[in-house]
Amino acid sequence: NAGVTQTPKFQVLKTGQSMTLQCAQDMNHNSMYWYRQDPGMGLRLIYYSASEGTTDKGEVPNGYNVSRLNKREFSLRLESAAPSQTSVYFCALAGIWNTGELFFGEGSRLTVL
Amino acid sequence: AQSVAQPEDQVKVAEGNPLTVKCTYSVSGNPYLFWYVQYPNRGLQFLLKYITGDNLVKGSYGFEAEFNKSQTSFHLKKPSALVSDSALYFCAVRPRMDSSYKLIFGSGTRLLVRP
Repeated sequence: NAGVTQTPKFQVLKTGQSMTLQCAQDMNHNSMYWYRQDPGMGLRLIYYSASEGTTDKGEVPNGYNVSRLNKREFSLRLESAAPSQTSVYFCALAGIWNTGELFFGEGSRLTVL
Repeated sequence: AQSVAQPEDQVKVAEGNPLTVKCTYSVSGNPYLFWYVQYPNRGLQFLLKYITGDNLVKGSYGFEAEFNKSQTSFHLKKPSALVSDSALYFCAVRPRMDSSYKLIFGSGTRLLVRP
């Protein structure tokens, strides 16, 4: 999964704390995505960004904010973490082909106590 | 609502035997179809995709998938399973008219290949 870097890889938070997950790419792709993965539920889209400066809600945006200040980086912020946000978070990029397979980062495992 | 179903949480096969991981979808039009694999503590890796044309698509690691339009299915197959194929497999679709590249994922199927 070279080309997509997620930080941190692991994080433990207490309920109510805030944090930002970072995603950076060196593949020069326009579209970036944040998914969460939960057992038995597959991957669900939180937010996505079609280009620098634009963001759109996905299937499960509540409790999250995102920022796409430049082409390389797309961050996901939890303002007040809740136990329901315990999950594995994946950043992904859309390929340059219009058939759109995604390239995924290695994931960030977040636990909210 | 658009959705993807993977009816089996787990599939077990013996090494050397053929394997099938099932996927059906409910998406309008003729969507693009994908399979991904996830190894423990890793991100998802792209395996193969169906865009148009031949209903049998070949992908990485000897995997192939069969598209059936009438049954809205896209089952993943491999003629001879390896222990190293043990992983979590996800089917995904993208509506053809959706230019955002968003993928809709199934819930995943865990494949266990016994030695």
